[in-house]
Amino acid sequence: NAGVTQTPKFQVLKTGQSMTLQCAQDMNHNSMYWYRQDPGMGLRLIYYSASEGTTDKGEVPNGYNVSRLNKREFSLRLESAAPSQTSVYFCASSEPTGGWGNTIYFGEGSWLTVV
Amino acid sequence: TQLLEQSPQFLSIQEGENLTVYCNSSSVFSSLQWYRQEPGEGPVLLVTVVTGGEVKKLKRLTFQFGDARKDSSLHITAAQPGDTGLYLCAGLMEYGNKLVFGAGTILRVKS
Repeated sequence: NAGVTQTPKFQVLKTGQSMTLQCAQDMNHNSMYWYRQDPGMGLRLIYYSASEGTTDKGEVPNGYNVSRLNKREFSLRLESAAPSQTSVYFCASSEPTGGWGNTIYFGEGSWLTVV
Repeated sequence: TQLLEQSPQFLSIQEGENLTVYCNSSSVFSSLQWYRQEPGEGPVLLVTVVTGGEVKKLKRLTFQFGDARKDSSLHITAAQPGDTGLYLCAGLMEYGNKLVFGAGTILRVKS
């Protein structure tokens, strides 16, 4: 069972470079999320998509863009990477909207370092 | 500032001891979840509490949701080395359907 798959697992970028983190889920979930996790900060929501065709900003959207390509895929793009974006990024999905009682499934994380 | 304050940040105890982790906020949540995360992996859901005052037990773990749905606690009885990990609480905002996380509690249980 694949669940939530995100790539790449590790990436080193130079300041100003761009990159896209890919995420796919095979559970037919409507809702997908991108979080970043930093020491002492917990998980902070960057963007989420309640359903195909919709995206909304989370707590820390600045410097990021997202695309809900289809029901399965939700990508996160850094247009001009900055050292402050060094973090571990988690993609997640849930059904239907992460509402009470619903489980959110996380990917294994993508370690991004911006130098 | 964190919307959900978790305490303590770090906890190092001996096998067999009991412990409690707290999650507090001034906001009301529709529900609150507890996750456990191991190094190199994503968080995994342990439990969801929905009703104010609700208590749920999962083997040696007891979860409680505050009466006003603003706080929660996780109590572990007779901790084992296998309980070692990062414990995260997460609350579903009453409005907006967003799930916000606490900063986490790193638990280490020594044998």
